[in-house]
Amino acid sequence: DTEVTQTPKHLVMGMTNKKSLKCEQHMGHRAMYWYKQKAKKPPELMFVYSYEKLSINESVPSRFSPECPNSSLLNLHLHALQPEDSALYLCASSRYFGSGGRGEQYFGPGTRLTVT
Amino acid sequence: TQLLEQSPQFLSIQEGENLTVYCNSSSVFSSLQWYRQEPGEGPVLLVTVVTGGEVKKLKRLTFQFGDARKDSSLHITAAQPGDTGLYLCAGPTGTYKYIFGTGTRLKVLA
Repeated sequence: DTEVTQTPKHLVMGMTNKKSLKCEQHMGHRAMYWYKQKAKKPPELMFVYSYEKLSINESVPSRFSPECPNSSLLNLHLHALQPEDSALYLCASSRYFGSGGRGEQYFGPGTRLTVT
Repeated sequence: TQLLEQSPQFLSIQEGENLTVYCNSSSVFSSLQWYRQEPGEGPVLLVTVVTGGEVKKLKRLTFQFGDARKDSSLHITAAQPGDTGLYLCAGPTGTYKYIFGTGTRLKVLA
């Protein structure tokens, strides 16, 4: 099973709202990722968790707050977002790999976020 | 800084035609992945190439990794409308970090 699930599929929120995106995988992967993707562009890395610890934060504004409650779950908490944050938010997971590793990622279907 | 440049950026062809998409870099990669993404969906992993010169086939899709592991190509034979989508190459640049190619948007007309 190579499935990564994400909820919700679509989300519309106002700039003062607080919402959360959820991601789950049961492949035993110990690395999980959040990406942001704008229309017609490749995904941009936001955060990486490895073994439930935050490994990489690509200078993401603090209005995005990631959380990894356990090895299967990844959340992205949203607060006071701006209209320019509207995008497709993708979760992915991979096995652990060191520098120079094979490192295949498996993506979820994404959450289409619209900030009004 | 490692970059992955894809060409062409956009391709519109008739059903039944053949096409090749290129993914080029000046850097060596330990592996490269190819993904296909449909609008509003997440990228779906098609293949990983690891060994220089490796050729992998997935039905009508043929993937090749360059001998020097700096480039890769995707060839589609007899394209079908179901092949329409955004094709992305990607490669690991360090522990847990990947870079994605610039993307090739393919449209196959019936």
